[in-house]
Amino acid sequence: EAQVTQNPRYLITVTGKKLTVTCSQNMNHEYMSWYRQDPGLGLRQIYYSMNVEVTDKGDVPEGYKVSRKEKRNFPLILESPSPNQTSLYFCASSSAGNYGYTFGSGTRLTVV
Amino acid sequence: TQLLEQSPQFLSIQEGENLTVYCNSSSVFSSLQWYRQEPGEGPVLLVTVVTGGEVKKMKRLTFLFGDARKDSSLHITAAQPGDTGLYLCAPQGGGSNYKLTFGKGTLLTVNP
Repeated sequence: EAQVTQNPRYLITVTGKKLTVTCSQNMNHEYMSWYRQDPGLGLRQIYYSMNVEVTDKGDVPEGYKVSRKEKRNFPLILESPSPNQTSLYFCASSSAGNYGYTFGSGTRLTVV
Repeated sequence: TQLLEQSPQFLSIQEGENLTVYCNSSSVFSSLQWYRQEPGEGPVLLVTVVTGGEVKKMKRLTFLFGDARKDSSLHITAAQPGDTGLYLCAPQGGGSNYKLTFGKGTLLTVNP
């Protein structure tokens, strides 16, 4: 089944403790992206990647890092999480020339 | 700066009613996507429209892309409780950048 898989689905952590949210897609998509979704603010893009080793900042990149060493994986790294990064995070992928995104099921992160 | 507005923000109707939600922008787009998001899940692509004036029908859902490619609407006929969800529009600027900027969405509740 074609899908984007995020892990973990839920995560509670403490301020300053480094964490990684994994994202993997099995559709051989070139394009991958991370979004956060907050009440009243909607979906905002954090980082995106056009292909392996090609990444760029989205609208709200501060406090986040990403890497794209393999085509299928696009992890989101929070080096020193803070409470304002408490949010619902989504990974998405798309093929070049295809206008549609496939989203993962989301990761609900709470930083205390 | 691109302004993207979806209206109404909230809509609660009875099963069997018809409804229309709107997506308006100050910019011209090469294409536009509509997604539906259910609680706790990632958005799911409903349709992509690419031509000004284009109308796409999917069963009870009718999508329109405005002639000037700055606005779009989604009309649902005879709404059902299964239509409940957050409806998001996402215009795309085109070119090689697959960045999607999402509207804040219309939260639709269809009551039995």
